[in-house]
Amino acid sequence: NAGVTQTPKFRILKIGQSMTLQCTQDMNHNYMYWYRQDPGMGLKLIYYSVGAGITDKGEVPNGYNVSRSTTEDFPLRLELAAPSQTSVYFCASSYAGEWGDEQYFGPGTRLTVT
Amino acid sequence: GENVGLHLPTLSVQEGDNSIINCAYSNSASDYFIWYKQESGKGPQFIIDIRSNMDKRQGQRVTVLLNKTVKHLSLQIAATQPGDSAVYFCAEPNSGYSTLTFGKGTMLLVSP
Repeated sequence: NAGVTQTPKFRILKIGQSMTLQCTQDMNHNYMYWYRQDPGMGLKLIYYSVGAGITDKGEVPNGYNVSRSTTEDFPLRLELAAPSQTSVYFCASSYAGEWGDEQYFGPGTRLTVT
Repeated sequence: GENVGLHLPTLSVQEGDNSIINCAYSNSASDYFIWYKQESGKGPQFIIDIRSNMDKRQGQRVTVLLNKTVKHLSLQIAATQPGDSAVYFCAEPNSGYSTLTFGKGTMLLVSP
């Protein structure tokens, strides 16, 4: 299994540009998550999904959108990039958000907005 | 979770020492806690978890202790190795258990 894969690994955007961060998992997990991690900080949840067709806001959803049309894919969309969105973005998945059910993380996408 | 935080942002140890990383939490209703390890340039990786009805859980070279009286969680790493150098996060589930709240993290630096 490849686990959780993310593309691209790095990206530089100009203010106002848009982009989609891709995330795919091949573990048939129901739950998927998007986090951002600012330098020297912990992870903050942006959006999550408990299954195909279902998405919910996390702690910091403003400026982002998601969709979950399949079990495998959970893309994150930035419509109007702002410098405050400079961060490292991690996608994760788990079978279910329960005791003993760990989240598997992708390698991250490092985004810089200038 | 309401608040998951760490006492020490950076911990420096010598190779072979035992390391203890601490975490304070404020939500006494949390049912379980998880420790993650994040190496430089990588995503977090699950280490060990513990349920609230347990005081201690052991893994390979790692032990997690839970003190519900003072709402304190610790991760003990025995015979610390250079490969243990990373940032360690504790996390607890939010209500509904669909998501986790992560603490700020502690950086563990292991020198040979």
